[in-house]
Amino acid sequence: QKEVEQNSGPLSVPEGAIASLNCTYSDRGSQSFFWYRQYSGKSPELIMSIYSNGDKEDGRFTAQLNKASQYVSLLIRDSQPSDSATYLCAVPGDTGFQKLVFGTGTRLLVSP
Amino acid sequence: KAGVTQTPRYLIKTRGQQVTLSCSPISGHRSVSWYQQTPGQGLQFLFEYFSETQRNKGNFPGRFSGRQFSNSRSEMNVSTLELGDSALYLCASSYGPGDNSPLHFGNGTRLTVT
Repeated sequence: QKEVEQNSGPLSVPEGAIASLNCTYSDRGSQSFFWYRQYSGKSPELIMSIYSNGDKEDGRFTAQLNKASQYVSLLIRDSQPSDSATYLCAVPGDTGFQKLVFGTGTRLLVSP
Repeated sequence: KAGVTQTPRYLIKTRGQQVTLSCSPISGHRSVSWYQQTPGQGLQFLFEYFSETQRNKGNFPGRFSGRQFSNSRSEMNVSTLELGDSALYLCASSYGPGDNSPLHFGNGTRLTVT
């Protein structure tokens, strides 16, 4: 049974700072990792996917993958109050991408 | 391309009743996956349908069931509702097995059981 662990937070950062969100996973064979953002009362929205070791940048977001240590991180640069949300880490389950295993999410609060 | 559409957006039901939720996938997608999200358990996989057949099933009781139609639209049904079934039910679609694209979710159906 694959597992994904996240600190539930809340993680509080001031506006303009870098927010660092972390996720660890149990299955060393996992190859793909996803970060979803979920605003209160809304559905999860995919913001980043990463498949290989190292960094992947997309605008203010950077995903970092370290397979040896089995963790994946999401950095948000120049954090804005609109980034306040819950961030969910997910990996595909044992039968493919349609069955995702999610962490419990980290709540991020960005204060003006 | 239109996204995944779920109806209704909100539902209020009483314990013991049953409920049916609907999901229309992105055009061309043949796989539909359902998830339940609760504050206590987080996001959990319910089941996946592909070509009108259940392909995967999560660890939920038999009260939770689903089906898929020939046009790939899917419904899920929960019978004998319990208070603990109150949750956000999310649907996502994909082309099917072998499609390694990340899942995109519909807006969800918020079910409240009283």
